[in-house]
Amino acid sequence: TQLLEQSPQFLSIQEGENLTVYCNSSSVFSSLQWYRQEPGEGPVLLVTVVTGGEVKKLKRLTFQFGDARKDSSLHITAAQPGDTGLYLCAGAGMKTSYDKVIFGPGTSLSVIP
Amino acid sequence: DSGVTQTPKHLITATGQRVTLRCSPRSGDLSVYWYQQSLDQGLQFLIQYYNGEERAKGNILERFSAQQFPDLHSELNLSSLELGDSALYFCASSGSLDFPGVNYGYTFGSGTRLTVV
Repeated sequence: TQLLEQSPQFLSIQEGENLTVYCNSSSVFSSLQWYRQEPGEGPVLLVTVVTGGEVKKLKRLTFQFGDARKDSSLHITAAQPGDTGLYLCAGAGMKTSYDKVIFGPGTSLSVIP
Repeated sequence: DSGVTQTPKHLITATGQRVTLRCSPRSGDLSVYWYQQSLDQGLQFLIQYYNGEERAKGNILERFSAQQFPDLHSELNLSSLELGDSALYFCASSGSLDFPGVNYGYTFGSGTRLTVV
C-alpha cells in the first residue's frame, strides 16, 4: 500500500517568514503533485513534478522532487496571508497515466498578518 | 470556476436515506474521480471512471455506487446513509495524454457537503 506522509501537520507563521513543507513516502511515484485547498473548496493544483531532482518555481513557491522520486518539498519565501490554506501532496503510481493518485494528510498553514 | 461542476453544493438528509451526487467534468476530460474528505480521514479515493468504464476502485463502501454516462457526467449514489457518511465529497477530472504513463494532476470541483442527521 502506498502511503504519503507530510510534515509538519500544522504551521503558524508571521507574514514575511520562510517555510518548508515536506512530503515523504517509501514508494516511488511517476509524478508528484502539490495542491492548495481553502476551507469549503476543492483542492487546486499548484504544480506537478515528474523527473527526479526536478525543481519548479511558482512565484514565491519552490517545489522539489527527490532524486529517487519518493519525496518532495515545498518552500515558500516571504509568506503572505493569501498563502494560508491546506497544502496537499499527491503521488501518482507507476502503472498508467490514469493510475489513481494517493493524497497525503496535508499541512495546514496559517500566515498571520 | 475550475470547469468541474458539482451539484448540489449542500445536502442534508436523514440516516437510512439515499442521495445522488452529480459531477460534470471539465470539457475534454475523459476521467472522473470521486473522493471523500472528512476531518479525521483526509482525502480518500473512492472510485475512478474513464470514458464510461470503471477504471479503479478505492475504499468505496458497498452502499455506495457510481457510474459515468455517455456524455461523461458522473453520479455517485450513496444509500442506507449513516452518520459517519457525513463528509465533503469531491469530484475531479483529468484527461491529459501529453506524456503516456504520467498523471499531470486533477481539476477538482468545489464539492458537495453531505450532512446526515
